[in-house]
Amino acid sequence: EAQVTQNPRYLITVTGKKLTVTCSQNMNHEYMSWYRQDPGLGLRQIYYSMNVEVTDKGDVPEGYKVSRKEKRNFPLILESPSPNQTSLYFCASSGPTGLWTGELFFGEGSRLTVL
Amino acid sequence: AQSVTQLDSQVPVFEEAPVELRCNYSSSVSVYLFWYVQYPNQGLQLLLKYLSGSTLVKGINGFEAEFNKSQTSFHLRKPSVHISDTAEYFCASGTGRRALTFGSGTRLQVQP
Repeated sequence: EAQVTQNPRYLITVTGKKLTVTCSQNMNHEYMSWYRQDPGLGLRQIYYSMNVEVTDKGDVPEGYKVSRKEKRNFPLILESPSPNQTSLYFCASSGPTGLWTGELFFGEGSRLTVL
Repeated sequence: AQSVTQLDSQVPVFEEAPVELRCNYSSSVSVYLFWYVQYPNQGLQLLLKYLSGSTLVKGINGFEAEFNKSQTSFHLRKPSVHISDTAEYFCASGTGRRALTFGSGTRLQVQP
């Protein structure tokens, strides 16, 4: 089954404690991206990756890091989480380069609370 | 810069009634337009898209949307809603560079 898998789905942590949210896709997609969803703001892009070892900032990258060492994985790293990073996070992937159909495949989300 | 405005944060409607969810976009370049749906506790999934061609596009579950360039709108419609359509709906725009700009979402609440 084609899917994007995120872990953990739920996490409560404290300010300053480093954490990683993993994302894996089994569709051999080149493009992967992280979004955060906040009430009234919709989804905002944090980082994206066009391919292995190619990453770039989205609209709200401050406080986050990413890496893309393998095609299937795109972890999101919060080095020193703060309460304003409490949010619902989504990983998404998209198919091959060339004609882009606009279809992003989303994971089920990771709800992060930073106390 | 692109922006997407969804004019209604919540739309309550009775089952079997028609519904329209409004979306306006702004962009200085040609855009691609999308509607995504998010069911409770799930990720988003593509409902329909406009890339080019016919301005009336049909999607899954009986939804359709019309691209109106002069009004910079891409409103989503369904002639008769079901309880199962209760979800949050997001309008999004893109310029082909694989970065989507999302609206703030509209929560559709279908009541029996």
